[in-house]
Amino acid sequence: DAKTTQPPSMDCAEGRAANLPCNHSTISGNEYVYWYRQIHSQGPQYIIHGLKNNETNEMASLIITEDRKSSTLILPHATLRDTAVYYCIVRVAGTGRRALTFGSGTRLQVQP
Amino acid sequence: EAGVAQSPRYKIIEKRQSVAFWCNPISGHATLYWYQQILGQGPKLLIQFQNNGVVDDSQLPKDRFSAERLKGVDSTLKIQPAKLEDSAVYLCASSLSMDEQYFGPGTRLTVT
Repeated sequence: DAKTTQPPSMDCAEGRAANLPCNHSTISGNEYVYWYRQIHSQGPQYIIHGLKNNETNEMASLIITEDRKSSTLILPHATLRDTAVYYCIVRVAGTGRRALTFGSGTRLQVQP
Repeated sequence: EAGVAQSPRYKIIEKRQSVAFWCNPISGHATLYWYQQILGQGPKLLIQFQNNGVVDDSQLPKDRFSAERLKGVDSTLKIQPAKLEDSAVYLCASSLSMDEQYFGPGTRLTVT
């Protein structure tokens, strides 16, 4: 699986959009981009994933650049409950139920 | 639907003692994972089961760690004897498809 690079920490004002970047310059054509987050004292939680098209669900939007070398997770209206560590994970498709390889993630602090 | 259940939530033991953690995955999820998360790091896979068979245990320290999944449902992870460096959160996750893994709240182990 391709490696990812994320900033170690970010701040965001409550109510504003939080834009979390991820670099995955060595991504292969059949690798998906996954985002999970981990709120303090909880297990990681799935947010969203995508291959090359932008994706949106009730939690967030995922924007993947055309060359697929980077992506951005967008939380449109951040709340204090969004304070967490966010993990960007690149994973090969079609390999069955493989485990996730977590990096250090980005610690997002939403400020009141 | 009920989530992944883990017990105990916290455990404190002395080095060289043994300890066991229990996990009950989401009903119907054939794949079960145990991850170890050391403070400040992302989770790292210890072992992955598909039903009651081991898929990947390449990162499990087999001299002291063991795991089983009887009848393809509940699972137990055991450490014997424990070392100081085993202090971590032990996370159990389950999945039905490769898109999303569901994590339990974890067991925080402190070895003194």
